[in-house]
Amino acid sequence: DVKVTQSSRYLVKRTGEKVFLECVQDMDHENMFWYRQDPGLGLRLIYFSYDVKMKEKGDIPEGYSVSREKKERFSLILESASTNQTSMYLCASSLGGGTLYEQYFGPGTRLTVT
Amino acid sequence: DQQVKQNSPSLSVQEGRISILNCDYTNSMFDYFLWYKKYPAEGPTFLISISSIKDKNEDGRFTVFLNKSAKHLSLHIVPSQPGDSAVYFCAASVTGANSKLTFGKGITLSVRP
Repeated sequence: DVKVTQSSRYLVKRTGEKVFLECVQDMDHENMFWYRQDPGLGLRLIYFSYDVKMKEKGDIPEGYSVSREKKERFSLILESASTNQTSMYLCASSLGGGTLYEQYFGPGTRLTVT
Repeated sequence: DQQVKQNSPSLSVQEGRISILNCDYTNSMFDYFLWYKKYPAEGPTFLISISSIKDKNEDGRFTVFLNKSAKHLSLHIVPSQPGDSAVYFCAASVTGANSKLTFGKGITLSVRP
């Protein structure tokens, strides 16, 4: 079974702090994704990566950056956390190549910025 | 500009009856569609998918129908069970897009015992 793990289930940070959210997958997937889920807005893509050190902006990249130094690990960075970044953050991974594959999600990190 | 729309935010059905969850899309380039199910405090889990070359895909109690001319798909759950109560997301993708998915806002399904 594919396993996607996220470093924290719940996180509370203060405004202005730098926040790191870590995601690890164990199935050698090429693609990795970061989403946020907010009530009434569904899942919105922040960033994705289709290879080590490769990244592309999603629909809402402002205020975020990412890092992928190893294939299995994809980090989301909030450079200076703000209250409007309070959300559920979900990491996902999928096989790469031109073929479409379903994404496998981690359990999510509930981030609260105070 | 919302490319995948789930216009009904919630649906309530009686146990044993059929649940029909609808999804519309605007981007005619989409050629692969998926449904995900999400329980509170958990990540979404893949449920069923359909390619644009098909109009129906079935997996146990779950069937997805695709109407390309109407840019509409639906998920049928028969019979519905209380454990099906969750948020259901419709998602769409374009071949060659590195499996990047565009999600709808989700529908909360409640199955009454």
